[in-house]
Amino acid sequence: NAGVTQTPKFQVLKTGQSMTLQCAQDMNHEYMSWYRQDPGMGLRLIHYSVGAGITDQGEVPNGYNVSRSTTEDFPLRLLSAAPSQTSVYFCAVTDSTSGTEAFFGQGTRLTVV
Amino acid sequence: GENVEQHPSTLSVQEGDSAVIKCTYSDSASNYFPWYKQELGKRPQLIIDIRSNVGEKKDQRIAVTLNKTAKHFSLHITETQPEDSAVYFCAAHDYKLSFGAGTTVTVRA
Repeated sequence: NAGVTQTPKFQVLKTGQSMTLQCAQDMNHEYMSWYRQDPGMGLRLIHYSVGAGITDQGEVPNGYNVSRSTTEDFPLRLLSAAPSQTSVYFCAVTDSTSGTEAFFGQGTRLTVV
Repeated sequence: GENVEQHPSTLSVQEGDSAVIKCTYSDSASNYFPWYKQELGKRPQLIIDIRSNVGEKKDQRIAVTLNKTAKHFSLHITETQPEDSAVYFCAAHDYKLSFGAGTTVTVRA
């Protein structure tokens, strides 16, 4: 039982490159979300999904795409990386939309040069 | 959308003293208020939470209080220990989870 698995752990991209951050869960939870963490700014919501086939934008969605084809997976795509996207990214999983514990992946430290 | 403000941004306490972190929220529809602890290089982990129908909750040295009328909630850590040194985040949940900016707590031995 791995919980929430997030890959890769570290990544360096050149400006303009694209990549996908992977998030997989084996908890059978419906609600998945992506956050970015920057110094002094806490965790800001990028996109979230309340179930397979349903996604919505969070606070800072520009430059990111998501899809949710299965309950288990919620990948985050950077279409054309920019230095402003240098950050630590966390995937989080909860079992409902009414408010319960969020389980986080290990994080991805992304540097865009 | 929900806006969560957290104070102070840094807090240094002597071992054995208490630490208090305060948060305010803007959306009266928020009904769940968790607190997360993040150690350096690690993922955030839940330490305590409270729902809107409860005013106070305690778990050993940690307590949380909620004032729905004033839209603020606080984390209290008593008898602080070196292992309490970390970044603490408050959050509020309406239909999504919104976080405060975090408080870096340092416990001096």
